[in-house]
Amino acid sequence: DVKVTQSSRYLVKRTGEKVFLECVQDMDHENMFWYRQDPGLGLRLIYFSYDVKMKEKGDIPEGYSVSREKKERFSLILESASTNQTSMYLCASSLGGDRAPEAFFGQGTRLTVV
Amino acid sequence: SQQGEEDPQALSIQEGENATMNCSYKTSINNLQWYRQNSGRGLVHLILIRSNEREKHSGRLRVTLDTSKKSSSLLITASRAADTASYFCATLNTNAGKSTFGDGTTLTVKP
Repeated sequence: DVKVTQSSRYLVKRTGEKVFLECVQDMDHENMFWYRQDPGLGLRLIYFSYDVKMKEKGDIPEGYSVSREKKERFSLILESASTNQTSMYLCASSLGGDRAPEAFFGQGTRLTVV
Repeated sequence: SQQGEEDPQALSIQEGENATMNCSYKTSINNLQWYRQNSGRGLVHLILIRSNEREKHSGRLRVTLDTSKKSSSLLITASRAADTASYFCATLNTNAGKSTFGDGTTLTVKP
């Protein structure tokens, strides 16, 4: 089974801190994604990556950056955390192209910025 | 409004009844997927229907796709209390290569 692992289930950070959310997948998937999920807003795509060192902005990239130095790892970085970034963050991975485009999700990281 | 909008937003039924959720989208798609999310957890892929398919079954799930109306429906037959969850549709955009999720339908199945 595909496994997508997010490094933390719960995080509490202070405003202005630099925050790293880590995601690792073990199935050699080309594509990796970061979403945030907020009540009434569904899932919104922050960034995604097609390959190592490749990244594309999603729908709400402001305030975030990403890093993909290795194929299995995709990191989401909050350069200076703000309270409006309090949310559930979900990482996902999938095979590239249209071979098997369904995404496999991690368990989520609930981030609270105080 | 968002690509991949589910309707209704919330649905409450009795165990044994069927549950139908709908999804509308706006752009051309390669495929449409349905996911389920239990409270506080990640999403789990349920079923995928490609743009050239009209209906697909998987166990108690039945998905239809009408590309002319840009809509899809998910039917869960003989629902169980364990089906209580949020259900999302996601569209893989033909050009963008990324999936877009809707807000989801929250299904409650009462025992």
